Amino acid sequence: DAKTTQPNSMESNEEEPVHLPCNHSTISGTDYIHWYRQLPSQGPEYVIHGLTSNVNNRMASLAIAEDRKSSTLILHRATLRDAAVYYCILRDVWSNYQLIWGAGTKLIIKP
Amino acid sequence: EPEVTQTPSHQVTQMGQEVILRCVPISNHLYFYWYRQILGQKVEFLVSFYNNEISEKSEIFDDQFSVERPDGSNFTLKIRSTKLEDSAMYFCASSESYRDDEQYFGPGTRLTVT
Repeated sequence: DAKTTQPNSMESNEEEPVHLPCNHSTISGTDYIHWYRQLPSQGPEYVIHGLTSNVNNRMASLAIAEDRKSSTLILHRATLRDAAVYYCILRDVWSNYQLIWGAGTKLIIKP
Repeated sequence: EPEVTQTPSHQVTQMGQEVILRCVPISNHLYFYWYRQILGQKVEFLVSFYNNEISEKSEIFDDQFSVERPDGSNFTLKIRSTKLEDSAMYFCASSESYRDDEQYFGPGTRLTVT
């Protein structure tokens, strides 16, 4: 079972920042935090991942709490194309090849 | 930008028939995966494959399923005798390494078993 907890859905206005939360209170020291998203009728798409430090890439930022029990995916300026289901996934780099998916957060972008 | 491709995009088959779903992973990737997603449900891991052998598989991946890398480019998932409950989207993915690396997914094959 997924070891993360995310809200079922969130709404945001176009061109505004979006903060998608994820709780992972049982995270272990070797778990990386991965975020993927799935646009309607498409395959999943990698967004970002991190271990302890905050991470930035061209798609998003990942803010990781100091105790690592929660994290937040930040979309700096949401567009209609960002409407998707966002998945927060923990992956133990020493024991797992697979990604274990939860239900994710459905992000709705209002024009 | 390199991408994972899958064929066919949609496959319709009758119950009990064998199907082979095909994937072409990104060329320099070494780790390959199959996932499935039943309509309206979450993505489920099936199997991972490295160095011509299965490295990890889920409970879903029973004796009816098999994977193969028949040549240097293709990665296939075979379902030997399809059941109605095998109807789903099947996604292939690949990654350069397995540790902290991202997985790149294909667009999926929709399998419909009638």
